[in-house]
Amino acid sequence: QKEVEQDPGPLSVPEGAIVSLNCTYSNSAFQYFMWYRQYSRKGPELLMYTYSSGNKEDGRFTAQVDKSSKYISLFIRDSQPSDSATYLCAMSFISNFGNEKLTFGTGTRLTIIP
Amino acid sequence: NAGVTQTPKFQVLKTGQSMTLQCAQDMNHEYMSWYRQDPGMGLRLIHYSVGAGITDQGEVPNGYNVSRSTTEDFPLRLLSAAPSQTSVYFCASSYNSGLNTGELFFGEGSRLTVL
Repeated sequence: QKEVEQDPGPLSVPEGAIVSLNCTYSNSAFQYFMWYRQYSRKGPELLMYTYSSGNKEDGRFTAQVDKSSKYISLFIRDSQPSDSATYLCAMSFISNFGNEKLTFGTGTRLTIIP
Repeated sequence: NAGVTQTPKFQVLKTGQSMTLQCAQDMNHEYMSWYRQDPGMGLRLIHYSVGAGITDQGEVPNGYNVSRSTTEDFPLRLLSAAPSQTSVYFCASSYNSGLNTGELFFGEGSRLTVL
């Protein structure tokens, strides 16, 4: 079983819809949770970053972490064609040796239809 | 600022050939790393460095070497290319070296095909 599971999609929604992207994980040591956005033929770029459980909002994007269920979500409101990309969840913890172990999900490919 | 620059963007190799993927960053980041991205596998860490002269192995280091002689540069060497090394390679850097997760800045990737 992978430490981080993410539905690869593809997911297609009409412009203006609310998009929900999700990841589950098995390692309860994860403390830091991130969402990266990757446009086609480009490198990933950080979209949202949260620490521990709770919600964080940034414009049209909301990141949600539920540590009790080992489940994280990214919501996109009023989706735009420019949101079409692959979204990667990522999570990390600090090991006993003091270094960070960062694990990425496989990514969900999202297309917003005009 | 150019950010993280990777060269070449595309490369085709024959089995057994060696090559070096170049990575340079101009943000004075201490932490640099190499990932490979394969369908259904996500991003997997190959090697990383927390500063000049310091490197360590990641999740999938076999068949790759790295060195870090300067803060700016972190080349990845394929010693004897194999078809299993066909992938997209990303170099990434970060200000923080590990005690608190920091934003990773990625290059645009190097697409490698090994025949």
